[in-house]
Amino acid sequence: AQSVAQPEDQVNVAEGNPLTVKCTYSVSGNPYLFWYVQYPNRGLQFLLKYITGDNLVKGSYGFEAEFNKSQTSFHLKKPSALVSDSALYFCAVRDYNTDKLIFGTGTRLQVFP
Amino acid sequence: NAGVMQNPRHLVRRRGQEARLRCSPMKGHSHVYWYRQLPEEGLKFMVYLQKENIIDESGMPKERFSAEFPKEGPSILRIQQVVRGDSAAYFCASSDIGTAATEAFFGQGTRLTVV
Repeated sequence: AQSVAQPEDQVNVAEGNPLTVKCTYSVSGNPYLFWYVQYPNRGLQFLLKYITGDNLVKGSYGFEAEFNKSQTSFHLKKPSALVSDSALYFCAVRDYNTDKLIFGTGTRLQVFP
Repeated sequence: NAGVMQNPRHLVRRRGQEARLRCSPMKGHSHVYWYRQLPEEGLKFMVYLQKENIIDESGMPKERFSAEFPKEGPSILRIQQVVRGDSAAYFCASSDIGTAATEAFFGQGTRLTVV
């Protein structure tokens, strides 16, 4: 079965520093990977996706993610964190057979001024 | 193009009552997903529907919960005889499935409180 894992419950980073939010996946076949962000009391917003092609995917709000097939990872990155980036981040994989979108447990990003 | 619309945004029910949560997908989207989120927890998949069909309900509790997505109108998640443990945020997402590469778009959620 397809799955994603987010090994960190929380990531703390100082404003202006680079940030990384980790995600690893387990799929059979080609992975379709997504990152979403959730601000307090809001729904999830789509950030970016990897389908095929370049391993570095650029998305909204300056975020990017690096697909690494050998490490089965899809880490979310940003060169310079903002306090306003503080939110809950979810990695997701699309089940190739059922089209079901499966989410990780989420990582809370806290950016300190 | 309006986004995914969920209503109500907040719903309070007494134990034993029924809760009805509505989701209108984005225009042109024929696939709907329902997720439950407990405070400080991740998203738990509940059910995946296409128009008039339940594709995957593996995340739905066996009793009291049901979902539909009729040919006309919104998708409905129905919880009968609610209990305190049903208190959570329920999110709906929709997608226009051409391929599995299509992202899903989420509504703002319905926050159910059972008192």
